[in-house]
Amino acid sequence: GAGVSQSPSNKVTEKGKDVELRCDPISGHTALYWYRQSLGQGLEFLIYFQGNSAPDKSGLPSDRFSAERTGGSVSTLTIQRTQQEDSAVYLCASAHRGSNYGYTFGSGTRLTVV
Amino acid sequence: GEDVEQSLFLSVREGDSSVINCTYTDSSSTYLYWYKQEPGAGLQLLTYIFSNMDMKQDQRLTVLLNKKDKHLSLRIADTQTGDSAIYFCAEVRSGGYNKLIFGAGTRLAVHP
Repeated sequence: GAGVSQSPSNKVTEKGKDVELRCDPISGHTALYWYRQSLGQGLEFLIYFQGNSAPDKSGLPSDRFSAERTGGSVSTLTIQRTQQEDSAVYLCASAHRGSNYGYTFGSGTRLTVV
Repeated sequence: GEDVEQSLFLSVREGDSSVINCTYTDSSSTYLYWYKQEPGAGLQLLTYIFSNMDMKQDQRLTVLLNKKDKHLSLRIADTQTGDSAIYFCAEVRSGGYNKLIFGAGTRLAVHP
């Protein structure tokens, strides 16, 4: 597509429920990243994909968080048993592998856990 | 330290210059970036600078890089109300791929 697309744009969920966030990167971008932006905070790195594999999962905050990428394209970030501290904006970005020209970000999914 | 650091808030008058400062950590970073985030939007790449440069100018934007002090700044000339946003600096952390580490962002408020 023309840009990085994320869905849903907003999600309100009850504490304890599971949520899935979707990222559709720019066509041809092999690198995909998930970041989390909490209120008043910077961007916290979560996970990096190169193709379908995830060589860097170091930022996932707990085992309730997982992500997958299929076909080297769409990625889903799943949060199980959501907690209030999971409330944040989840941003996805994609890039050409090895690109030095930064990432292209989606508009994010605002997750609110009530 | 481990973090990319920025001041959190800057207020300027319309028409004045804005200077946003950043201190990064990885001396081997090859590129440094400035991103802009407008309310409710994702991050937009504003500009970047290669580590062998001291300065880069792009229309109203001037980026200065002091590698010795690991200090990066973004100057916006003739600041307009449309420049009101959060500005993030980011460095590339070495480790085999381009992992960007971001500062907490500087909120720029432009008033008449």
